Amino acid sequence: AQSVTQLDSQVPVFEEAPVELRCNYSSSVSVYLFWYVQYPNQGLQLLLKYLSGSTLVKGINGFEAEFNKSQTSFHLRKPSVHISDTAEYFCAVSDRGFQKLVFGTGTRLLVSP
Amino acid sequence: EAQVTQNPRYLITVTGKKLTVTCSQNMNHEYMSWYRQDPGLGLRQIYYSMNVEVTDKGDVPEGYKVSRKEKRNFPLILESPSPNQTSLYFCATQAAGGDTQYFGPGTRLTVL
Repeated sequence: AQSVTQLDSQVPVFEEAPVELRCNYSSSVSVYLFWYVQYPNQGLQLLLKYLSGSTLVKGINGFEAEFNKSQTSFHLRKPSVHISDTAEYFCAVSDRGFQKLVFGTGTRLLVSP
Repeated sequence: EAQVTQNPRYLITVTGKKLTVTCSQNMNHEYMSWYRQDPGLGLRQIYYSMNVEVTDKGDVPEGYKVSRKEKRNFPLILESPSPNQTSLYFCATQAAGGDTQYFGPGTRLTVL
């Protein structure tokens, strides 16, 4: 069965600093990986996804992630965060049919001035 | 505008009182799904539907029912809610052959 581990439940960072949110997955078959963001009191919004091809994936709001098959990781990065990036971030894995998303437990990014 | 709507957005109820949370989408998507979000557990799938009259259990279906009589609607029914169903619920949709799920705004349910 697929599973996703987000190693950090909370990541505090200062504005304009770089950030990395870690995600490791477990699957024995081809995987498709997603990062979603949830702003306070809102639903989930897709940040980026890896389906195939280039292992470096660029998403919205300046975020990017790198698929690393040997380390089974899909870490999310941003070179300079803003206060408005404060949110909860979820990594998810899907199978070939894309119908079932298995989510990690989420990482709360707290950006302070 | 492409939308997934959920109603109500907030609900406080008591144990045993049947309730329905509605989900509606205007994107003509075949696939719809319900998730619950709990602190420290992320989102877990409750039920999903591949198309009209086709539904199946997800990872945590106990205590829930669903129906899919129309393509656009996928209501979540709690016949006898209990306090352990206090949670944040999300509906999601996806086009057949698509690779991305689109989420509604969420329904925060409290069962006393």
